[in-house]
Amino acid sequence: QKEVEQDPGPLSVPEGAIVSLNCTYSNSAFQYFMWYRQYSRKGPELLMYTYSSGNKEDGRFTAQVDKSSKYISLFIRDSQPSDSATYLCANNFGNEKLTFGTGTRLTIIP
Amino acid sequence: NAGVTQTPKFQVLKTGQSMTLQCAQDMNHNSMYWYRQDPGMGLRLIYYSASEGTTDKGEVPNGYNVSRLNKREFSLRLESAAPSQTSVYFCANKDRRGYTFGSGTRLTVV
Repeated sequence: QKEVEQDPGPLSVPEGAIVSLNCTYSNSAFQYFMWYRQYSRKGPELLMYTYSSGNKEDGRFTAQVDKSSKYISLFIRDSQPSDSATYLCANNFGNEKLTFGTGTRLTIIP
Repeated sequence: NAGVTQTPKFQVLKTGQSMTLQCAQDMNHNSMYWYRQDPGMGLRLIYYSASEGTTDKGEVPNGYNVSRLNKREFSLRLESAAPSQTSVYFCANKDRRGYTFGSGTRLTVV
């Protein structure tokens, strides 16, 4: 079993819709949870970062962590074509190693 | 991506050839990383360096060597390239919140 599981998609939604992206993880020792966005032929860029259960908002993006069920989510409101990218969840024990999900490819249809 | 520069951007090697992937940061962070990204596998850690002069193996170190000569530069060497090393390679550094990635090197081994 992979430490971080993520549905690879692809996922296509119409512009303006709410997008829900999800990951599950197996190791309860993970302390930090991140979402990265990766545009085609680019490196990943940090989108959201949290270390606690609950919700964290940043503009149109909300990261949600449920440590009891080992489930993390990213919600995108009022989705835009510029949100089309691959989204990677990542977990960390607080040490040097970051464990990534395989990524979900998202397309926003104008 | 600002702060982490990788060269070259593209490379084609023949089986058995050697090459060094270069990475340099201008962000003065201690920790630097090399990841490879393959379809369906996500990002996997090859080697990392927590500080100048130190290196440690990650998840998939076989076939690779690294060198951290100074705080700014962290290179990845393939001594005898194999087709299984065809991948996109990303260098990254780390601050207290997360990781900053370079734009990647696309390597094809034929």
